[in-house]
Amino acid sequence: GAGVSQTPSNKVTEKGKYVELRCDPISGHTALYWYRQSLGQGPEFLIYFQGTGAADDSGLPNDRFFAVRPEGSVSTLKIQRTERGDSAVYLCASSLGERADTQYFGPGTRLTVL
Amino acid sequence: SQKIEQNSEALNIQEGKTATLTCNYTNYSPAYLQWYRQDPGRGPVFLLLIRENEKEKRKERLKVTFDTTLKQSLFHITASQPADSATYLCALYTGGFKTIFGAGTRLFVKA
Repeated sequence: GAGVSQTPSNKVTEKGKYVELRCDPISGHTALYWYRQSLGQGPEFLIYFQGTGAADDSGLPNDRFFAVRPEGSVSTLKIQRTERGDSAVYLCASSLGERADTQYFGPGTRLTVL
Repeated sequence: SQKIEQNSEALNIQEGKTATLTCNYTNYSPAYLQWYRQDPGRGPVFLLLIRENEKEKRKERLKVTFDTTLKQSLFHITASQPADSATYLCALYTGGFKTIFGAGTRLFVKA
């Protein structure tokens, strides 16, 4: 079956611009996670959705970052006024259950802020 | 402070040997621990989960141990193959909704 998909696979933007990153989870998965991964590091938790609501957004670094999941399926991570330090791979994962169960990751979006 | 430590240096082994990777943590009380594999340019792939009341878990050529007293997990790949070359991440679940990942250890298996 289809796995988690993320678009775009690569995004290059200029400092100060706004970007949106999209995640399509596995059908039927109610839990959705966003992570950020820098080179040589493990994924860093950003936000968790259970259904349509953000149950834990404690990992979002600041108020330039925002994520939505309006219909409980597709999610969009939005970054305003991008900074060079935002450059990283943004990973999305989904899982069946409410707890941090086995997570199925997408391939990620590589964001480069020039 | 809370930390998860995995060998930052790459592990190089010969095909057929057993690879052993280490995950140490401090100031966490994880309910369970997971191991993931990550290939370049791809997202992590789940391999094994071990709970706090389990000492050992096996799956095919993979074995994970979990010592909550030592605050350590060991991940073994027996009869290693070049296709096992990847980065291996350990991840802790401590409750709530977060999973905390280590930085990973790169494994190279030479033919």
